[in-house]
Amino acid sequence: GQNIDQPTEMTATEGAIVQINCTYQTSGFNGLFWYQQHAGEAPTFLSYNVLDGLEEKGRFSSFLSRSKGYSYLLLKELQMKDSASYLCAVRDGNSNYQLIWGAGTKLIIKP
Amino acid sequence: KAGVTQTPRYLIKTRGQQVTLSCSPISGHRSVSWYQQTPGQGLQFLFEYFSETQRNKGNFPGRFSGRQFSNSRSEMNVSTLELGDSALYLCASRGGQGGRDTQYFGPGTRLTVL
Repeated sequence: GQNIDQPTEMTATEGAIVQINCTYQTSGFNGLFWYQQHAGEAPTFLSYNVLDGLEEKGRFSSFLSRSKGYSYLLLKELQMKDSASYLCAVRDGNSNYQLIWGAGTKLIIKP
Repeated sequence: KAGVTQTPRYLIKTRGQQVTLSCSPISGHRSVSWYQQTPGQGLQFLFEYFSETQRNKGNFPGRFSGRQFSNSRSEMNVSTLELGDSALYLCASRGGQGGRDTQYFGPGTRLTVL
């Protein structure tokens, strides 16, 4: 079957680094996405990985290991505005490119 | 390029009524997906339309239906509303094929059922 797992909640300190993990099981992996969602708002696109390795974009980086079915989102120099939910989604090439979503990780930043 | 737009932004209905939500995708995008999100819940996939055809469907009852028009605009209908249908309904569009085919979300319609 298809399954995506993320921690439900994480807490980190302003200025620190946090890593949010995502593990997945899907039959037709065709890319992995990370989105950020602030409370009451729509998700916004953060990053995309389809090949193994690290993609860096400013303070945010995303890593993928297809053989392990594993990804992480790394947030550096945390700011209070980074308090949000982070959603991991996998595109399934065997299901008309449907996105399979994790439940999201709520990140709480403390001063 | 204009983003995904959804109307209305807020809606209050009573149990038993029906409601229609509208979504206009980013120009050139042929795929529109609908999601339901309730407090503390992840995105619950309703359905996806691609070139006027329903391509994927989630596990929602038949009260939830949708359609897509030739200009890619999409509507979602919920009949016989229940209290549990109160949620944020999000629409997202993308090109619809593989490759770097990112899904972009609209601001959502917040539906309250009384």
